[in-house]
Amino acid sequence: VQMTQSPSYLAASPGESVSISCKASKSISNNLAWYQEKPGKANKLLIHSGSTLQSGTPSRFSGSGSGTDFTLTIRSLESEDFAVYYCQQYNEYPPTFGGGTKLELK
Amino acid sequence: EVQLVESGGGLVQPGRSMKLSCAASGFTFSNYGMAWVRQAPTKGLEWVATISYDGSSTYYRDSVKGRFTISRDNAKSTLYLQMNSLRSEDTATYYCTRGKYSFAYWGQGTLVTVSS
Repeated sequence: VQMTQSPSYLAASPGESVSISCKASKSISNNLAWYQEKPGKANKLLIHSGSTLQSGTPSRFSGSGSGTDFTLTIRSLESEDFAVYYCQQYNEYPPTFGGGTKLELK
Repeated sequence: EVQLVESGGGLVQPGRSMKLSCAASGFTFSNYGMAWVRQAPTKGLEWVATISYDGSSTYYRDSVKGRFTISRDNAKSTLYLQMNSLRSEDTATYYCTRGKYSFAYWGQGTLVTVSS
């Protein structure tokens, strides 16, 4: 299953809201996870099952979608949110990741 | 606190072997499936292999099948990745992760560079 994320780069300011799209090449039900990657830190699972926040994920993060189209939304961006975000399907082997979205400070 | 600490990376010549280890702590290791995920320089994440909680089932991406072996020692809370016949395209940071489907915890990674 190929996972296509867009955009690849996104510039925003603190306080703004942003959305990242992830499209699967075939239906994956809701078997989708979102991760955050930051330099010098371990990758963090933010959301699983398409929309379920992992323990510890701030409520300003939300996930939606099912089937082939998914969205990660971050409301009221904080400085710590500027990072790279990846989606990943686990509906079937091999698990596959999107190409990533780099969220940069405008 | 869950901790995953990888070791064993470094520079290796093409065709040679290398074994990575991942020491786990902060959770009952024998209860969880584990996986290796890699990231080539400036590239995205790529799943490599998964092992079930008891080691009875293993899964590999096609490009490493027959060359890599994932294993675990539940008594030592340690995950391994034996990599044989290494190729330049295996150059990446290798991450140990907890999970069989989604990956709830990640280590900081160990860099493997395959070059002559």
